[in-house]
Amino acid sequence: DIQMTQSPSSLSASVGDRVTITCRSSHNINTYLNWYQQKPGKAPSLLIYAASSLQSGVPSRFSGSGSGTDFTLIINSLQPEDFATYFCQQSSSVPPWTFGQGTRVEMK
Amino acid sequence: QVTLKESGPALVKPTQTLTLTCTHSGFSLGTSGTRVSWIRQPPGKALEWLARIDWDDTKFYSPPLRARLTVSKDTSKNQVALLMTDMDPLDTATYYCARTRYFSSGVQFDSWGQGILVTVSS
Repeated sequence: DIQMTQSPSSLSASVGDRVTITCRSSHNINTYLNWYQQKPGKAPSLLIYAASSLQSGVPSRFSGSGSGTDFTLIINSLQPEDFATYFCQQSSSVPPWTFGQGTRVEMK
Repeated sequence: QVTLKESGPALVKPTQTLTLTCTHSGFSLGTSGTRVSWIRQPPGKALEWLARIDWDDTKFYSPPLRARLTVSKDTSKNQVALLMTDMDPLDTATYYCARTRYFSSGVQFDSWGQGILVTVSS
């Protein structure tokens, strides 16, 4: 199985900050990488797919980059509704589809 | 508008079989290219993909859980079911169903149900 490792596991930030979350895969996955946002008590929602493509309806302050084994999610100008947990997920054609352990973005 | 909703027992005893149902709308598993997955999340922990069923009845299972899982669909009712046998307290989790896209860009879970918390306890 492909293992996904996120860092940091949590971070504290303020409204307006630029936030960077990284995800590393144990194997080369090209750009088969998705990012999800999960708010407390809610289901995850798809933010970015194929490493850098914004899902419909997602604000442009979210961006993704990377390929191979190293990927980044950036939130520019953090907004109050962005305090949540973020998960990466490898999306290659072969199951199982695995997730990172999550990065919790908390208010400083 | 795509919606999914999970239903089933909130509490099961160890060794029992869990049966969950996902009722969906806004798409049909009778349509070529449609897929639904089951994903779970133990309290405070990461997401774990469990199983997927496709419009043509192709099925995929998580290797470590394959022997315990069965996924099926009833296209006429817009429902997908998940059976998990021999439940253990470690299976306590919120279980989600999610519509699954599969493009050249990979596999994405683009619409999720609200989830159902299943507790395994005697």
